Amino acid sequence: GAVVSQHPSWVICKSGTSVKIECRSLDFQATTMFWYRQFPKQSLMLMATSNEGSKATYEQGVEKDKFLINHASLTLSTLTVTSAHPEDSSFYICSAPTAGGRAETQYFGPGTRLLVL
Amino acid sequence: EDKVVQSPLSLVVHEGDTVTLNCSYEVTNFRSLLWYKQEKKAPTFLFMLTSSGIEKKSGRLSSILDKKELSSILNITATQTGDSAIYLCAVNYGGSQGNLIFGKGTKLSVKP
Repeated sequence: GAVVSQHPSWVICKSGTSVKIECRSLDFQATTMFWYRQFPKQSLMLMATSNEGSKATYEQGVEKDKFLINHASLTLSTLTVTSAHPEDSSFYICSAPTAGGRAETQYFGPGTRLLVL
Repeated sequence: EDKVVQSPLSLVVHEGDTVTLNCSYEVTNFRSLLWYKQEKKAPTFLFMLTSSGIEKKSGRLSSILDKKELSSILNITATQTGDSAIYLCAVNYGGSQGNLIFGKGTKLSVKP
């Protein structure tokens, strides 16, 4: 089946630093990828839709200057948390749909746990 | 405001029990409802439901959608310890086929 990887799986950083998270589709091409954030005991919240070759689409309330998204190729999207603060500590998950972008074909990465001290 | 509500939030059962997890939704432009199983990391896809009243089955798991009641249930029969996980319900909505809104999940713990 389709595989989506994320790197790193764990990151601890100091407040004020920037952190880059990579999301790769390993055996298929993804013109669209989705970035989610999950706080403890909360649901997955869609942050933004990453589009290959064009600007990302951000959900309401998500600061595009703080969460920079770059969809550099058909297999790679990156999320950079700029000037991270403790409240940005969360579990970040990306997903990529395969056939026709349908919801049921959306494969999730293993997630990246970010802790900002 | 679009929302997906799951109940119960947490459930503890013994092996062999049957459980029913609930999901209700209020969204505009409903496309489909999806169930996922999340064990520590990424959610894995279980079912997608688009039509009311048609049961989807996979082994001991089954699910059905009721569009009139705006809800769905996920049944697990003869539970095993390996079923312990968070079960997430998500609704695909709106203009984009990838838009998903998730419920908070039901944490299922199956005791030996």
